[in-house]
Amino acid sequence: QLQLQESGPRLVKPSETLSLTCSVSGGSISSGDDYWAWIRQPPGKGLEWIATVHYTESTYYSPSLKSRVTISVDTSKNQFSLKVDSVTAADTAVYFCARHVNFWSFDLWGRGTLVTVSS
Amino acid sequence: IVLTQSPGTLSLSPGERATLSCRASQSVISNYLAWYQEKPGQAPRLLIHAASRRATGIPDRFSGSGSGTDFTLTIDRLEPEDFAVYYCQQYGTSVLTFGGGTKVEIK
Repeated sequence: QLQLQESGPRLVKPSETLSLTCSVSGGSISSGDDYWAWIRQPPGKGLEWIATVHYTESTYYSPSLKSRVTISVDTSKNQFSLKVDSVTAADTAVYFCARHVNFWSFDLWGRGTLVTVSS
Repeated sequence: IVLTQSPGTLSLSPGERATLSCRASQSVISNYLAWYQEKPGQAPRLLIHAASRRATGIPDRFSGSGSGTDFTLTIDRLEPEDFAVYYCQQYGTSVLTFGGGTKVEIK
């Protein structure tokens, strides 16, 4: 069955770029109906949608993060990625990757990875 | 669209009914509203989509209702494993938003 797994550095210095990858296994990232997203959750706080990508490279961003975030897809590797520029302590969070079919609700999630921004 | 969930915390005993509210700042297109359950150290789990449709494998003690700007998640006969944080989320626009969450705790 389809599974998602986040990977990337767990510690990032302030002002640097946070980079994460989500590997999709058990199925193809190129399914026409599937959209792929990043969602984050600061410690002790709620969920925040960051961005979504389709395998055709259509992208959608949260307005509050759009100026610092890039989401991309690599169909040859069955992965999609997130970059957040100029990070600060406020970007410390558990980052989840997720699928939403037809841009609907998130029906499949990765386990999440905690990224800490600290010098 | 801003989603406001209430109450922030709900203290109940096993076997009781939980009623959680999610209010949107504007009408949610096509009632595209979902509910998720989150437990510590786990990813959120989809419970309800399209306001009232249970996701695959979700017990029927979970039900969703509402339309427009007012939505409700009801949990009948709380089981010990239901004590968790619940989030609503709208997907009626291309800017997706979550509510702030309601914690259901054991009284």
